Amino acid sequence: DAKTTQPTSMDCAEGRAANLPCNHSTISGNEYVYWYRQIHSQGPQYIIHGLKNNETNEMASLIITEDRKSSTLILPHATLRDTAVYYCIVRVGGATNKLIFGTGTLLAVQP
Amino acid sequence: NAGVTQTPKFQVLKTGQSMTLQCAQDMNHEYMSWYRQDPGMGLRLIHYSVGAGITDQGEVPNGYNVSRSTTEDFPLRLLSAAPSQTSVYFCASSLGRYNSPLHFGNGTRLTVT
Repeated sequence: DAKTTQPTSMDCAEGRAANLPCNHSTISGNEYVYWYRQIHSQGPQYIIHGLKNNETNEMASLIITEDRKSSTLILPHATLRDTAVYYCIVRVGGATNKLIFGTGTLLAVQP
Repeated sequence: NAGVTQTPKFQVLKTGQSMTLQCAQDMNHEYMSWYRQDPGMGLRLIHYSVGAGITDQGEVPNGYNVSRSTTEDFPLRLLSAAPSQTSVYFCASSLGRYNSPLHFGNGTRLTVT
């Protein structure tokens, strides 16, 4: 699976959009981009995933560049409860669902 | 649905002791996996299973055994605990299809002295 690069930490003002970048320059054509987050010491929580089209759900939007070498997770109106570590993962589609986590981005939402 | 349930929440072991971390899911998920998380690090995959009777190794399998006799349960065994196994352990499951998200339990915090 392709490796991802994320900033170690980011700040965002409450109520503003949080834009979390991820580089995955070695991604293959059949690899999906997944985003998870981990709030404090809880188990990670699935946010969103995509292959090449932009995706949106009730939690966030995922923007994938046309060459698929990078993506951005957007939380449209960040709240204090969105403070967490956000993980960007790429993986090959298949039955194993074997996700390899990096160290993620610590997003701190400031009041 | 209870989702993914891990027991115990906390455990302290002495070096050399053995124990089993329990993981159960009630979502009829085919795929289950175990991760460990150490301070300042991301999650590392220990073992995983794509269905009952089938298991395979992840990134850091040494010192751990698993079995999958039923769809619902995926226990993780430490045969002879070492201080290096002090960590938080997370179990996760999914339908196993290529685009199905992982559902995580709330973790077991293990300390080996």
